[in-house]
Amino acid sequence: AQKVTQAQTEISVVEKEDVTLDCVYETRDTTYYLFWYKQPPSGELVFLIRRNSFDEQNEISGRYSWNFQKSTSSFNFTITASQVVDSAVYFCALSSHQTGANNLFFGTGTRLTVIP
Amino acid sequence: NAGVTQTPKFQVLKTGQSMTLQCAQDMNHEYMSWYRQDPGMGLRLIHYSVGAGITDQGEVPNGYNVSRSTTEDFPLRLLSAAPSQTSVYFCASSVGESSYEQYFGPGTRLTVT
Repeated sequence: AQKVTQAQTEISVVEKEDVTLDCVYETRDTTYYLFWYKQPPSGELVFLIRRNSFDEQNEISGRYSWNFQKSTSSFNFTITASQVVDSAVYFCALSSHQTGANNLFFGTGTRLTVIP
Repeated sequence: NAGVTQTPKFQVLKTGQSMTLQCAQDMNHEYMSWYRQDPGMGLRLIHYSVGAGITDQGEVPNGYNVSRSTTEDFPLRLLSAAPSQTSVYFCASSVGESSYEQYFGPGTRLTVT
């Protein structure tokens, strides 16, 4: 079965603090893809990153970084020096290649509030 | 490019009514899908299509119908609305299957009374 767990329902940080959003996934497939999406207060969903199961390299994009660890089935997302514009709900998602190949499983999301 | 568009943005239905949520994309994407978003449950896949004439069920298909007569359009039909279908509905498209980046529409907020 495919499953994504985002245990942190809500997080509040003060502006300029670093924050890490956790994502733990479950799948029996060897080929799979992991995603992070951002949903700001306006409601649209914005793609942030896609990572396949064969690429464990960490990725950095500006203030955003992602840590993919297959050993712990985690794909955590860190925002450095948070800003008010980072306030949003963040979703982690999983798509597996072999079973349910056309299904994208979302976690329940983490609501991040950055306090000025 | 308009990307993925959805109409209407808001809709209120009475129990038992039927309606169609419209979704269109102008990116020539083969894969399109419908999700519903409920508080505390993330997004769940309702139906998807891998190309014109081909549709399949997702995780929560009951009470919904889809068809894909063109690459651009992927309407979602509620056959007989129920209060449990009160939700925000998102349409998405991508160049391939679900393993690719999904482009989401702005959503339709549906209330069934």
